[in-house]
Amino acid sequence: DTAVSQTPKYLVTQMGNDKSIKCEQNLGHDTMYWYKQDSKKFLKIMFSYNNKELIINETVPNRFSPKSPDKAHLNLHINSLELGDSAVYFCASSQRTGDSPLHFGNGTRLTVT
Amino acid sequence: GENVGLHLPTLSVQEGDNSIINCAYSNSASDYFIWYKQESGKGPQFIIDIRSNMDKRQGQRVTVLLNKTVKHLSLQIAATQPGDSAVYFCAENMDGGNKLTFGTGTQLKVEL
Repeated sequence: DTAVSQTPKYLVTQMGNDKSIKCEQNLGHDTMYWYKQDSKKFLKIMFSYNNKELIINETVPNRFSPKSPDKAHLNLHINSLELGDSAVYFCASSQRTGDSPLHFGNGTRLTVT
Repeated sequence: GENVGLHLPTLSVQEGDNSIINCAYSNSASDYFIWYKQESGKGPQFIIDIRSNMDKRQGQRVTVLLNKTVKHLSLQIAATQPGDSAVYFCAENMDGGNKLTFGTGTQLKVEL
């Protein structure tokens, strides 16, 4: 069984479009995250939610809006996509914040043309 | 291709040898550290973690060493296998806060 699953795996779209990435975890974890991995493999946190409440927002443009309908789901909506948004986006979850390992999904490769 | 322009530090080892991957962390107040393995096309996979009240922890074929004096973390992989080929990341919990900050990654290549 997949612990952290995100869809779609690949997303190709044009500049200016709006798109969403969905994430679900079946680990019973309280905390979920979105990370962005650039072309140099650098992983940077974007958002973190704990029990549906936003606890980390790392100066991400407000075109990015996370939504957590319940603690097992954390979706990412992106408005007015730009070329620089092209990256791999990873969803993750953890049992606690800050001192327990993150469990990652397999990523969504977003390509903006 | 995916790796065009990518210049990760690379460690090449022979199959069966031991590998040591190093990481310098930035914050002396960090109290939790993790090593991750990322294979091509997949998400980072947890390998082993260590808290700041320890200086060594062992898992299956892996050992993590923490030197708080020089803010250095290392991952040792015993008897390296082809399946160990991947990018390895260290991560630290800075300031005892709510997020893990990742290092830049090291590409491990296992030669047969």
